[in-house]
Amino acid sequence: SAVISQKPSRDICQRGTSLTIQCQVDSQVTMMFWYRQQPGQSLTLIATANQGSEATYESGFVIDKFPISRPNLTFSTLTVSNMSPEDSSIYLCSPGLFRIRCRYIQETQYFGPGTRLLVL
Amino acid sequence: GDSVTQMEGPVTLSEEAFLTINCTYTATGYPSLFWYVQYPGEGLQLLLKATKADDKGSNKGFEATYRKETTSFHLEKGSVQVSDSAVYFCALDSSNTGKLIFGQGTTLQVKP
Repeated sequence: SAVISQKPSRDICQRGTSLTIQCQVDSQVTMMFWYRQQPGQSLTLIATANQGSEATYESGFVIDKFPISRPNLTFSTLTVSNMSPEDSSIYLCSPGLFRIRCRYIQETQYFGPGTRLLVL
Repeated sequence: GDSVTQMEGPVTLSEEAFLTINCTYTATGYPSLFWYVQYPGEGLQLLLKATKADDKGSNKGFEATYRKETTSFHLEKGSVQVSDSAVYFCALDSSNTGKLIFGQGTTLQVKP
């Protein structure tokens, strides 16, 4: 199984500020998925990030609010911009399509430990 | 579009009772199906999965069978423990890329 880490693990932020969440995977992966889990709710996909191209956002999510970077095959960041209390959630990254010796393998989906964000 | 529907919770059971959490799905093609568990204050853990029709996923006493004819993937356990108290999520991957669609989650409370 993959080792996935996220930073920070939790934060409390003031409205109007921005927070960048980092996701590091111990293997090269072609796609990185970012999810949001609002309090008491299920997980909703925010966007899919591929290395070398712009992220693809799901309906209801826009790049200005959730800019994503994907500088290499093991790392990605998600920024929550101009935060409001409605952004209080757990944000999780999940890698897809692992690259192993020039082949792409769909491994069982793993998730990072999550970043718990509270916006006051 | 693709979707997953789970039974409403919370489900409250006594220890050693039989558990069923229903999950049905709508998808094009042949999705992979998953059950995840989220214990209080913890992250999301994969519980079991099935990748094709009639496959049975199992782990920690939990089982689920991929039923294409009824588009279902119900989670079962013969004897629940207090430590099984958690939120359970059913999910599907219809694109085989790891992009998951989740059900709304079902909270299980097991009382001693």
